Amino acid sequence: QSALTQPASVSGSPGQSITISCTGTSSDIGAYNRVSWYQQHPGKAPEMMIYEVSNRPSGVSTRFSGSKSGNTASLTISGLQAEDEADYYCSSYTTTNTLWVFGGGTKLTVL
Amino acid sequence: EVQLVESGGDLVQPGGSLRLSCAASGFTFSYYWMHWVRQGPGKGLVWVSRIKGDGSDTKYADFVKGRFTISRDNAKNTLYLQMNSLRAEDTAVYYCVRDGHRYNFDYWGQGTLATVSS
Repeated sequence: QSALTQPASVSGSPGQSITISCTGTSSDIGAYNRVSWYQQHPGKAPEMMIYEVSNRPSGVSTRFSGSKSGNTASLTISGLQAEDEADYYCSSYTTTNTLWVFGGGTKLTVL
Repeated sequence: EVQLVESGGDLVQPGGSLRLSCAASGFTFSYYWMHWVRQGPGKGLVWVSRIKGDGSDTKYADFVKGRFTISRDNAKNTLYLQMNSLRAEDTAVYYCVRDGHRYNFDYWGQGTLATVSS
């Protein structure tokens, strides 16, 4: 069981927007603004899409945005494209011995 | 261009050992914390270990404490993970990952597969 809770799957049609939630506790998401999101295509390594809750690394599309409220973080992808179909993982630094935790991952299907 | 290239993954029997390596290039290796993150077959990502840039401090997930050792050779721009007393549940792709100075994972290697099975 993962430390952070994500929906197992979400789907949307091209051009639509979707949001993936990531729920933690006051020891991780609620404690720091050190939430990040990763995209992983099948058979590939993960790629960072968002860091520090809402910042995009250079080269990541502006269609990707992040936010946080209390113990829950969210990733929104607007203007869905076929290439966005992938697994998405949230991560947070924590106050516990585990130090870094991930969500269980969300499979995004573009219909 | 930042590159992280892992090697050393193999099939090993339970109780055995493996040493993973990660060759880094395209950045000043000693300036960055480095991590190992693993992913079991069909499973999610799990943080394993972290080492500071000068190697002065290491941290481990509880499930590998006392069995795994992270180290680095900054002269060779190489990160290591010594894995002892391996168990079937350690079977995973192990990723070498750079910490982006902000407690995140900004660059990932392609991963190396460690399989623990009799």
